[in-house]
Amino acid sequence: NAGVTQTPKFRVLKTGQSMTLLCAQDMNHEYMYWYRQDPGMGLRLIHYSVGEGTTAKGEVPDGYNVSRLKKQNFLLGLESAAPSQTSVYFCASSSTGGRFEPQHFGDGTRLSIL
Amino acid sequence: DQQVKQNSPSLSVQEGRISILNCDYTNSMFDYFLWYKKYPAEGPTFLISISSIKDKNEDGRFTVFLNKSAKHLSLHIVPSQPGDSAVYFCAASLDINFGNEKLTFGTGTRLTIIP
Repeated sequence: NAGVTQTPKFRVLKTGQSMTLLCAQDMNHEYMYWYRQDPGMGLRLIHYSVGEGTTAKGEVPDGYNVSRLKKQNFLLGLESAAPSQTSVYFCASSSTGGRFEPQHFGDGTRLSIL
Repeated sequence: DQQVKQNSPSLSVQEGRISILNCDYTNSMFDYFLWYKKYPAEGPTFLISISSIKDKNEDGRFTVFLNKSAKHLSLHIVPSQPGDSAVYFCAASLDINFGNEKLTFGTGTRLTIIP
């Protein structure tokens, strides 16, 4: 049971570089989410998707873009990385938005921007 | 503004005693609440939930209490075990009429169970 898989697990970038974080789920879930976790800030929603081909902004969307071309994949892009984007990023998926069916999380991507 | 708040960043409890984790919210349109547990280097996992039509929900050693008038919920763990040491997040979902497709998470409380 793979569940939600995030790649890569760790990455170090220089300021201004770009990269894409990949999230893949094998549970046929409609809803997918990207969060960031920072000390003292909890989990903050960056972007989310309620189905293939859809995306929506969350609480902290600036500096990030997302795409959901296939139902099982949700990509998070950083076009020009900044030190403020140093964080642990979590992807999650759910069949109902996390209300009656919990959100299932990946194990995170630790990203450092120098 | 933080709509879901966990005012205690950390809590230490002796093994076998009761652990009480608290969570406050400000948005009266939240009507479904959840607790997630997170171990280091892992993603959060769902623990227990409660609908606003109830004031209590139990699952084994875990009980969640909801006080709607005070906009407060708490998670009780009895008895506490070393494996309960983790970060606990409370989360809230809006009423279906206001967009229940996402959750709002609190800042988390690190629980340490002392053997």
